[in-house]
Amino acid sequence: EAQVTQNPRYLITVTGKKLTVTCSQNMNHEYMSWYRQDPGLGLRQIYYSMNVEVTDKGDVPEGYKVSRKEKRNFPLILESPSPNQTSLYFCASSIRGGLAADTQYFGPGTRLTVL
Amino acid sequence: AQSVAQPEDQVNVAEGNPLTVKCTYSVSGNPYLFWYVQYPNRGLQFLLKYITGDNLVKGSYGFEAEFNKSQTSFHLKKPSALVSDSALYFCAVRGPSADRGSTLGRLYFGRGTQLTVWP
Repeated sequence: EAQVTQNPRYLITVTGKKLTVTCSQNMNHEYMSWYRQDPGLGLRQIYYSMNVEVTDKGDVPEGYKVSRKEKRNFPLILESPSPNQTSLYFCASSIRGGLAADTQYFGPGTRLTVL
Repeated sequence: AQSVAQPEDQVNVAEGNPLTVKCTYSVSGNPYLFWYVQYPNRGLQFLLKYITGDNLVKGSYGFEAEFNKSQTSFHLKKPSALVSDSALYFCAVRGPSADRGSTLGRLYFGRGTQLTVWP
Protein backbone atom coordinates (compact mmCIF):
# COMPACT_ATOMS: atom_id res chain seq x y z
CA GLU A 1 0.00 0.00 0.00
CA ALA A 2 1.32 3.42 -0.98
CA GLN A 3 1.71 5.47 2.15
CA VAL A 4 3.61 7.94 4.27
CA THR A 5 4.40 6.68 7.76
CA GLN A 6 5.48 8.61 10.82
CA ASN A 7 6.81 7.48 14.17
CA PRO A 8 6.04 7.95 16.91
CA ARG A 9 2.40 8.92 16.63
CA TYR A 10 2.34 10.40 20.11
CA LEU A 11 5.22 11.72 22.18
CA ILE A 12 5.45 13.53 25.49
CA THR A 13 8.87 14.83 26.39
CA VAL A 14 10.60 17.45 28.50
CA THR A 15 12.31 20.67 27.55
CA GLY A 16 15.80 20.18 26.16
CA LYS A 17 15.68 16.45 25.53
CA LYS A 18 16.64 15.80 21.92
CA LEU A 19 14.15 13.85 19.86
CA THR A 20 13.65 12.63 16.31
CA VAL A 21 10.39 12.06 14.47
CA THR A 22 10.81 9.70 11.57
CA CYS A 23 9.03 9.91 8.23
CA SER A 24 9.14 7.33 5.49
CA GLN A 25 7.38 7.01 2.14
CA ASN A 26 7.24 4.01 -0.18
CA MET A 27 6.17 5.81 -3.36
CA ASN A 28 9.63 6.76 -4.63
CA HIS A 29 8.71 10.43 -4.27
CA GLU A 30 11.40 13.04 -4.76
CA TYR A 31 9.81 15.75 -2.66
CA MET A 32 9.20 15.55 1.07
CA SER A 33 8.12 18.16 3.55
CA TRP A 34 7.33 18.74 7.21
CA TYR A 35 4.41 20.83 8.44
CA ARG A 36 3.15 21.72 11.85
CA GLN A 37 -0.53 22.24 12.59
CA ASP A 38 -1.66 24.58 15.32
CA PRO A 39 -5.25 25.59 16.17
CA GLY A 40 -6.41 28.57 14.17
CA LEU A 41 -3.22 28.68 12.09
CA GLY A 42 -3.73 25.88 9.62
CA LEU A 43 -0.57 24.08 8.49
CA ARG A 44 2.78 25.80 8.24
CA GLN A 45 5.81 24.40 6.47
CA ILE A 46 8.92 23.74 8.57
CA TYR A 47 11.40 22.25 6.08
CA TYR A 48 11.27 20.62 2.71
CA SER A 49 13.48 18.48 0.52
CA MET A 50 13.51 18.42 -3.25
CA ASN A 51 15.59 15.23 -3.37
CA VAL A 52 18.35 13.32 -1.61
CA GLU A 53 20.82 15.67 0.10
CA VAL A 54 18.75 18.72 -0.93
CA THR A 55 16.88 20.43 1.89
CA ASP A 56 15.71 23.97 2.55
CA LYS A 57 13.86 26.01 5.14
CA GLY A 58 10.14 26.55 5.12
CA ASP A 59 8.30 29.28 6.96
CA VAL A 60 8.94 28.17 10.54
CA PRO A 61 12.31 26.35 10.64
CA GLU A 62 13.63 27.71 13.95
CA GLY A 63 14.40 24.95 16.43
CA TYR A 64 14.25 22.14 13.86
CA LYS A 65 16.71 20.21 11.73
CA VAL A 66 16.21 17.72 8.94
CA SER A 67 18.29 15.39 6.83
CA ARG A 68 17.67 13.50 3.60
CA LYS A 69 20.25 10.78 3.22
CA GLU A 70 17.89 8.37 1.50
CA LYS A 71 15.04 9.05 -0.85
CA ARG A 72 12.42 7.36 1.31
CA ASN A 73 13.30 8.91 4.69
CA PHE A 74 13.06 12.47 5.96
CA PRO A 75 13.49 12.66 9.75
CA LEU A 76 12.65 15.78 11.74
CA ILE A 77 15.07 16.52 14.58
CA LEU A 78 14.44 18.72 17.57
CA GLU A 79 17.82 19.26 19.19
CA SER A 80 16.49 21.06 22.25
CA PRO A 81 12.69 20.99 22.30
CA SER A 82 10.79 23.81 23.94
CA PRO A 83 7.12 24.07 24.97
CA ASN A 84 6.31 26.27 21.95
CA GLN A 85 7.09 23.27 19.76
CA THR A 86 4.12 21.43 21.22
CA SER A 87 2.09 20.78 18.09
CA LEU A 88 0.76 18.25 15.61
CA TYR A 89 3.36 17.44 12.97
CA PHE A 90 2.75 16.10 9.50
CA CYS A 91 5.14 14.73 6.95
CA ALA A 92 4.13 14.91 3.29
CA SER A 93 5.55 13.76 -0.01
CA SER A 94 4.91 14.22 -3.71
CA ILE A 95 6.44 12.94 -6.90
CA ARG A 96 8.23 16.21 -7.52
CA GLY A 97 8.33 19.48 -5.65
CA GLY A 98 8.79 21.91 -8.43
CA LEU A 99 5.61 21.04 -10.28
CA ALA A 100 2.73 22.88 -8.68
CA ALA A 101 0.14 20.40 -9.95
CA ASP A 102 1.58 17.46 -8.02
CA THR A 103 -0.56 16.23 -5.14
CA GLN A 104 1.07 16.03 -1.73
CA TYR A 105 0.29 12.95 0.35
CA PHE A 106 0.34 13.23 4.11
CA GLY A 107 1.35 10.95 6.93
CA PRO A 108 -0.95 10.25 9.90
CA GLY A 109 0.62 12.89 12.11
CA THR A 110 2.71 13.00 15.27
CA ARG A 111 1.30 14.72 18.30
CA LEU A 112 4.18 16.16 20.31
CA THR A 113 3.90 17.62 23.79
CA VAL A 114 6.92 19.34 25.32
CA LEU A 115 6.65 19.92 29.06
CA ALA B 1 2.06 36.66 -1.90
CA GLN B 2 -0.12 33.60 -1.97
CA SER B 3 -2.81 32.99 0.57
CA VAL B 4 -6.04 31.16 1.23
CA ALA B 5 -9.01 32.21 3.32
CA GLN B 6 -11.70 29.98 4.73
CA PRO B 7 -14.20 32.47 6.12
CA GLU B 8 -16.14 29.99 8.25
CA ASP B 9 -14.60 28.22 11.22
CA GLN B 10 -17.62 25.95 11.44
CA VAL B 11 -20.33 24.73 9.11
CA ASN B 12 -23.30 22.77 10.42
CA VAL B 13 -25.72 20.96 8.16
CA ALA B 14 -28.38 18.29 8.49
CA GLU B 15 -27.83 14.91 6.91
CA GLY B 16 -29.24 14.76 3.42
CA ASN B 17 -28.96 18.50 2.84
CA PRO B 18 -26.45 20.03 0.46
CA LEU B 19 -23.26 21.41 1.97
CA THR B 20 -20.83 24.12 0.96
CA VAL B 21 -17.46 24.88 2.51
CA LYS B 22 -16.09 28.18 1.28
CA CYS B 23 -12.58 29.05 0.15
CA THR B 24 -11.11 32.14 -1.47
CA TYR B 25 -7.56 32.53 -2.64
CA SER B 26 -4.95 35.04 -3.64
CA VAL B 27 -2.11 33.99 -5.94
CA SER B 28 0.12 35.39 -8.62
CA GLY B 29 -0.70 33.81 -11.94
CA ASN B 30 -2.90 30.80 -12.43
CA PRO B 31 -3.68 28.94 -9.22
CA TYR B 32 -3.42 25.27 -8.38
CA LEU B 33 -6.09 24.59 -5.78
CA PHE B 34 -6.54 21.65 -3.45
CA TRP B 35 -9.00 20.40 -0.86
CA TYR B 36 -7.94 18.10 1.95
CA VAL B 37 -10.00 16.49 4.70
CA GLN B 38 -8.82 15.57 8.17
CA TYR B 39 -10.80 13.06 10.20
CA PRO B 40 -10.23 12.91 13.98
CA ASN B 41 -6.83 11.49 14.86
CA ARG B 42 -5.96 11.01 11.22
CA GLY B 43 -3.71 12.70 8.70
CA LEU B 44 -4.84 14.88 5.84
CA GLN B 45 -6.45 13.06 2.96
CA PHE B 46 -6.50 14.49 -0.53
CA LEU B 47 -10.03 15.13 -1.85
CA LEU B 48 -9.61 16.93 -5.15
CA LYS B 49 -7.64 19.53 -7.04
CA TYR B 50 -8.06 22.11 -9.76
CA ILE B 51 -5.25 22.51 -12.24
CA THR B 52 -6.87 23.71 -15.44
CA GLY B 53 -9.86 23.00 -17.64
CA ASP B 54 -13.39 22.39 -16.43
CA ASN B 55 -14.34 24.71 -13.58
CA LEU B 56 -16.25 21.94 -11.81
CA VAL B 57 -13.91 19.38 -10.32
CA LYS B 58 -15.14 16.06 -8.98
CA GLY B 59 -13.30 14.30 -6.18
CA SER B 60 -13.49 11.55 -3.61
CA TYR B 61 -16.53 10.62 -1.48
CA GLY B 62 -18.96 12.49 -3.73
CA PHE B 63 -17.39 15.90 -3.19
CA GLU B 64 -16.94 18.45 -5.91
CA ALA B 65 -15.55 21.97 -6.05
CA GLU B 66 -16.26 24.88 -8.31
CA PHE B 67 -13.44 27.13 -9.46
CA ASN B 68 -14.51 30.72 -10.05
CA LYS B 69 -11.71 32.89 -11.37
CA SER B 70 -13.59 36.18 -11.24
CA GLN B 71 -14.48 35.67 -7.59
CA THR B 72 -11.16 33.94 -6.78
CA SER B 73 -13.08 31.18 -5.07
CA PHE B 74 -12.93 27.42 -4.89
CA HIS B 75 -15.88 26.29 -2.80
CA LEU B 76 -16.27 22.66 -1.82
CA LYS B 77 -19.72 21.17 -2.30
CA LYS B 78 -21.68 18.00 -1.86
CA PRO B 79 -25.31 17.54 -2.93
CA SER B 80 -26.31 15.38 0.04
CA ALA B 81 -24.31 15.41 3.27
CA LEU B 82 -23.62 12.33 5.38
CA VAL B 83 -22.89 12.16 9.09
CA SER B 84 -19.60 10.50 8.15
CA ASP B 85 -18.58 13.69 6.29
CA SER B 86 -18.08 15.41 9.64
CA ALA B 87 -14.42 16.41 9.69
CA LEU B 88 -12.00 19.32 9.35
CA TYR B 89 -11.60 20.57 5.80
CA PHE B 90 -8.62 22.48 4.46
CA CYS B 91 -8.31 24.46 1.28
CA ALA B 92 -4.79 24.96 -0.09
CA VAL B 93 -3.20 26.77 -3.01
CA ARG B 94 0.07 26.72 -4.89
CA GLY B 95 1.19 29.19 -7.50
CA PRO B 96 2.69 28.16 -10.83
CA SER B 97 6.09 29.34 -9.74
CA ALA B 98 7.82 30.41 -6.57
CA ASP B 99 7.05 34.01 -5.79
CA ARG B 100 9.13 36.34 -3.70
CA GLY B 101 9.37 35.07 -0.16
CA SER B 102 7.68 31.77 -0.84
CA THR B 103 9.18 28.33 -0.60
CA LEU B 104 9.15 26.06 -3.57
CA GLY B 105 6.63 23.27 -3.38
CA ARG B 106 4.83 24.79 -0.45
CA LEU B 107 1.10 24.48 -0.10
CA TYR B 108 -0.54 27.55 1.43
CA PHE B 109 -3.28 26.29 3.72
CA GLY B 110 -6.37 27.97 5.04
CA ARG B 111 -7.12 27.72 8.74
CA GLY B 112 -9.62 24.95 8.22
CA THR B 113 -13.39 24.62 8.48
CA GLN B 114 -14.99 22.18 10.89
CA LEU B 115 -17.94 20.52 9.19
CA THR B 116 -20.55 18.91 11.40
CA VAL B 117 -23.37 16.91 9.86
CA TRP B 118 -26.08 15.97 12.32
CA PRO B 119 -28.48 13.06 11.84
